[in-house]
Amino acid sequence: GAGVSQSPRYKVAKRGQDVALRCDPISGHVSLFWYQQALGQGPEFLTYFQNEAQLDKSGLPSDRFFAERPEGSVSTLKIQRTQQEDSAVYLCASSSLRDSYEKLFFGSGTQLSVL
Amino acid sequence: RKEVEQDPGPFNVPEGATVAFNCTYSNSASQSFFWYRQDCRKEPKLLMSVYSSGNEDGRFTAQLNRASQYISLLIRDSKLSDSATYLCVVNALGAGGGNKLTFGTGTQLKVEL
Repeated sequence: GAGVSQSPRYKVAKRGQDVALRCDPISGHVSLFWYQQALGQGPEFLTYFQNEAQLDKSGLPSDRFFAERPEGSVSTLKIQRTQQEDSAVYLCASSSLRDSYEKLFFGSGTQLSVL
Repeated sequence: RKEVEQDPGPFNVPEGATVAFNCTYSNSASQSFFWYRQDCRKEPKLLMSVYSSGNEDGRFTAQLNRASQYISLLIRDSKLSDSATYLCVVNALGAGGGNKLTFGTGTQLKVEL
């Protein structure tokens, strides 16, 4: 596709439910980032992949959060036993060597609401 | 203290005004700097990179002061379409040696008739 694609666009979950958020980066983009954006705040770094390697997961808020990118392309962010404080927009971004891995192209995000 | 700090605003300015936003960062090892723009309910998009020598792109001018760990964005002749949130972004090496781009909270700009 032409841009970063995320699905679902909206997700409503009951507290305690597990959710999986998908990100399909721009074809050929080696780097992939996940961010969490609460209402009125800037995006907060969660984790970073270079190809299939998860180089930095320092921003994951708890062990309920897990991300993978097994084939170095599509990535999934999984949240287990969701809590109300997990409600936010989850943004995925990708970048390429051409942009020194610094210019981020974001998807439209998944808005997660935990009831 | 947050790694990247911005005044959240909102800045309400009349069309045609000049407005300036500031940003400070705490990690002296930060390597590169950017301004992103985020429209309401949309994803952030790169506005411009920020260089030590300063850079200009049309009505937008960005400057970096490494000694003071300070970044600025100046918008001249504001347009209604400039209304958005402006995010200051700082890149430093993260765990694992890869890029870690840290975003500020954002400064909201509203340009009015």
